[in-house]
Amino acid sequence: QVHLVQSGAEVKKPGASVRVSCKASGYIFTNFGISWVRQAPGQGLEWMGWISTYNGDTKYTQKFRDRLTMTTDTSTSTVYMELRSLRSDDTAVYYCARPYRGSISMCFDPWGQGTLVTVSS
Amino acid sequence: QSVLTQPPSVSAAPRQKVTISCSGSGSNIGNNYVSWYQHVPGTAPKLLIYDNNERPSGIPDRFSGSKSGTSATLGITGLQTGDEADYYCGTWDSSLRAYVFGTGTQVTVL
Repeated sequence: QVHLVQSGAEVKKPGASVRVSCKASGYIFTNFGISWVRQAPGQGLEWMGWISTYNGDTKYTQKFRDRLTMTTDTSTSTVYMELRSLRSDDTAVYYCARPYRGSISMCFDPWGQGTLVTVSS
Repeated sequence: QSVLTQPPSVSAAPRQKVTISCSGSGSNIGNNYVSWYQHVPGTAPKLLIYDNNERPSGIPDRFSGSKSGTSATLGITGLQTGDEADYYCGTWDSSLRAYVFGTGTQVTVL
């Protein structure tokens, strides 16, 4: 069974960085990229970007391009998302998600369980 | 602000039907496939519909999707209390070169 398991909740101060991990199991890791999606309190879902687990290519949305880095470790089937220069409005639940295997278009299933990142002084 | 607009909320009695609209433009819905997600706060979102109108295995046929032009619709029939959740449409936006989600719709079973 396909699973994505994320690291635990984090509390960070403004200006700090956070790194969230997403460990995949149940499929060939390098066959699917991983996207990161976040949801701030009271807000909707927001796609942040994507990483190829095959060659490490990345695509970030314009909003996060200067602060976001995604990396992949094929030896442990784990993807990492690092967000720098944290602000209070980065407080959110961060999800990793894999493309759905049966689709010809971009969509996501399964998802990780989510990681709450709280930015507070 | 999202480029895909959904109604903030819809509601209906048990066993009734609701529809949720998702309005976009030619750079997103008009030229790309739409998917729909169910999200119960505190849990991982679940894929309900992909490629406009396909259901993943395990998703009951009470859930249906359609697309026409630059809009898409999710239908839920035989509404159950377990369907109370937030629902999001999603698609690729060719202009933004990003995946975009709708503004989200909260479904309430009266």
